[in-house]
Amino acid sequence: GAVVSQHPSRVICKSGTSVKIECRSLDFQATTMFWYRQFPKQSLMLMATSNEGSKATYEQGVEKDKFLINHASLTLSTLTVTSAHPEDSSFYICSARDFRGRHPDTQYFGPGTRLTVL
Amino acid sequence: AQKVTQAQTEISVVEKEDVTLDCVYETRDTTYYLFWYKQPPSGELVFLIRRNSFDEQNEISGRYSWNFQKSTSSFNFTITASQVVDSAVYFCALSDLYNQGGKLIFGQGTELSVKP
Repeated sequence: GAVVSQHPSRVICKSGTSVKIECRSLDFQATTMFWYRQFPKQSLMLMATSNEGSKATYEQGVEKDKFLINHASLTLSTLTVTSAHPEDSSFYICSARDFRGRHPDTQYFGPGTRLTVL
Repeated sequence: AQKVTQAQTEISVVEKEDVTLDCVYETRDTTYYLFWYKQPPSGELVFLIRRNSFDEQNEISGRYSWNFQKSTSSFNFTITASQVVDSAVYFCALSDLYNQGGKLIFGQGTELSVKP
């Protein structure tokens, strides 16, 4: 149980284009999902908390217009990196909590998406 | 403010050795959760264990064991008889479910290298 998927796993795009990353909870409903960013050899940095049916809550320093988050259903959240630039290249990871599961406080992570902007 | 410190950035051991990964946390909350995650080279974070602040019992799962001590604000992780497949980055994390909406505060991670 508590499986989270991400798509795509890798994406390479040209500077200036937008990229959409999907995060799905496969076997449970997730009212809250989280989006993280991880640079090489570094820890995970929380970017935003995605709540189903409402606006995402962004962490300080994260540009809302740059990183658009939509959580339209209980099993899907999307992160769109708009007008991507090389400095946006990173490993993006989502997680979800299973509120009805045995451990509603535990975040289960997707496999991550490696974004490379040329 | 909440904080998690993993002072060991890299550890290298030879297979079959025991190894302990340290984790020290700071929080003013009385109710909180502690976690360990494993991140192998593939990148996906694998959940290993959760512990709430009211449960100080140590836990053992196969070759893995965890020592939670509130008195020293530590939640250390020991791998017994390490194997090459244990090579990964291990993250300790802290969560305050009630006041922070379940946000995870991660330590910097400890990269464990187990050599054959």
